[in-house]
Amino acid sequence: DAKTTQPPSMDCAEGRAANLPCNHSTISGNEYVYWYRQIHSQGPQYIIHGLKNNETNEMASLIITEDRKSSTLILPHATLRDTAVYYCIVRVSPDTGRRALTFGSGTRLQVQP
Amino acid sequence: GAVVSQHPSRVICKSGTSVKIECRSLDFQATTMFWYRQFPKQSLMLMATSNEGSKATYEQGVEKDKFLINHASLTLSTLTVTSAHPEDSSFYICSAKGLTEAFFGQGTRLTVV
Repeated sequence: DAKTTQPPSMDCAEGRAANLPCNHSTISGNEYVYWYRQIHSQGPQYIIHGLKNNETNEMASLIITEDRKSSTLILPHATLRDTAVYYCIVRVSPDTGRRALTFGSGTRLQVQP
Repeated sequence: GAVVSQHPSRVICKSGTSVKIECRSLDFQATTMFWYRQFPKQSLMLMATSNEGSKATYEQGVEKDKFLINHASLTLSTLTVTSAHPEDSSFYICSAKGLTEAFFGQGTRLTVV
């Protein structure tokens, strides 16, 4: 799986958009970008994933650059409950489920009231 | 969506005793489950891969005789921490892959006193 680089921490004001960047310059053509988050003392939670097109679901939007070397997770209206560590993971597809996800350090997002 | 349930969420045990943690996939079958350990302010570290009907695969540095894994059915994997010591105190998390993404248990906070 390709290596990812994320800023260690970010702050965001409540109600504003949180934009979390991820660099994955060595990503291969068959690798997806996945985002998970971990709220304190809980297991990680899946947010969104994509290959090359931008994706949106009820939780977030994922913007992937045209060269696929970086991406941005967008939480459109951050709330205090979005305070968590956000992990960007690059993963080959199809994934048979027989290999574990590898977690880097992630970005600690602090949403401020 | 698919759910992975982990039990107990919190356990305190005395040094030298054993503790069993259960991980269940509630609405899907998982031939492979994963066990992670997370120390304070650190990321998730894979301990072992649990395979239904066969022996678990342990990561380097993880003692298989200390961390016993049993994956007796397609929906249940158990991790037993044997002869627990204070240094085994940690947050243990299990995971299994659904159709498109990995799901994680709520985690088990183990404190050995």
